[in-house]
Amino acid sequence: DAMVIQNPRYQVTQFGKPVTLSCSQTLNHNVMYWYQQKSSQAPKLLFHYYDKDFNNEADTPDNFQSRRPNTSFCFLDIRSPGLGDAAMYLCATSRDRYTGTAAYEQYFGPGTRLTVT
Amino acid sequence: GNSVTQMEGPVTLSEEAFLTINCTYTATGYPSLFWYVQYPGEGLQLLLKATKADDKGSNKGFEATYRKETTSFHLEKGSVQVSDSAVYFCALRTNDMRFGAGTRLTVKP
Repeated sequence: DAMVIQNPRYQVTQFGKPVTLSCSQTLNHNVMYWYQQKSSQAPKLLFHYYDKDFNNEADTPDNFQSRRPNTSFCFLDIRSPGLGDAAMYLCATSRDRYTGTAAYEQYFGPGTRLTVT
Repeated sequence: GNSVTQMEGPVTLSEEAFLTINCTYTATGYPSLFWYVQYPGEGLQLLLKATKADDKGSNKGFEATYRKETTSFHLEKGSVQVSDSAVYFCALRTNDMRFGAGTRLTVKP
């Protein structure tokens, strides 16, 4: 089945120790997103890639970076995790961006729960 | 800007009760509307969608109708089950995706 895969499902890191979360997709979608979600609140968009074009949200801290080496994979790098970065990180994909008449749904992975000790 | 206002929870119902979760939106352009469901410890799953006015999305007994005149997309189910216990997010999309705050539903046997 075509899907969005996130590894690992649970990640524990130490305060200030860099960590990388990974996402892969078999849907061949153009757009990949990273969201941060705390305590079943609404997901907060961090950034997205449209193909290789990186789009950062204005309020995403510099501590968060992303890489998309190819269509299938996208990584979230947290350079110096703080206690406030503990959250569920959700990767999502969509076929394309909004065209003015069509807004494609986003498909989410199962998430990676990050704990910072 | 675009926004979604969703009924606050938590909502607790008995099995086989009728469910309504209200959702209204503010948007420019022609948004598509979605309901996502999130089970404990999981990511968001698309439950249903509607892409234009008067469209009705439906899935697994859930329904929602895109009402442009009232800017609403209320989620309904005629008879809930314990397995429907989850958090439900209303969302709209134009250039970006906007989520409501989420409504936690608990269904008791």
